[in-house]
Amino acid sequence: DVVLTQTPPTLSATIGQSVSISCRSSQSLLHSNGNTYLHWLLQRPGQSPQLLIYLVSRLESGVPNRFSGSGSGTDFTLKISGVEAEDLGVYYCVQGTHAPLTFGSGTKLEIK
Amino acid sequence: VQLVESGGGLVQPGKSLKLSCSASGFTFSSYGMHWIRQAPGKGLDWVAYISSSSGTVYADAVKGRFTISRDNAKNTLYLQLNSLKSEDTAIYYCARPGMDAWGQGASVTVSS
Repeated sequence: DVVLTQTPPTLSATIGQSVSISCRSSQSLLHSNGNTYLHWLLQRPGQSPQLLIYLVSRLESGVPNRFSGSGSGTDFTLKISGVEAEDLGVYYCVQGTHAPLTFGSGTKLEIK
Repeated sequence: VQLVESGGGLVQPGKSLKLSCSASGFTFSSYGMHWIRQAPGKGLDWVAYISSSSGTVYADAVKGRFTISRDNAKNTLYLQLNSLKSEDTAIYYCARPGMDAWGQGASVTVSS
């Protein structure tokens, strides 16, 4: 199975600060069809996960544009440009290129 | 798009439970669907997948004990959980493959 290594495990940020989360894969996530099925989720406390970024860098509808994704192959990054209070929670990367679906271990974002 | 799980509860080890996921707002029959679980205080783990044509795949931890199925006429996804173990205690989510829709989760507690 593909292993996704997320760093850091926890992140503490002030409002307005920009932060980045890394997700590294044990193998390339480039599918033979040319797509890279690497997505980013946010799970707010007590809620279900929600999709933020899909296919590495595409912003899900309704998600603020302070969120952005980048990367290719095995290295991916989620950036939040100007953290807001509502951004607290656990961020997960997830890959769907190689079965089975696998998730990173999560990055908990705390607001100082 | 809405996914609503039901059927969770407290069950003794070795017993069975059946979860349902009612789908609306999209053409359910055209989509494969996942079950994903989250143990208390832990990350996300994929459990099972069923394709639009009802092909199935399972995580090793549940293979032979859990069965995923679907009823397209009822727009409903199911997960039959048999021979339950304490380590199956989790919130169980149904989700679309693009990770763009998640249910609110069904809580399963396996305890004597």
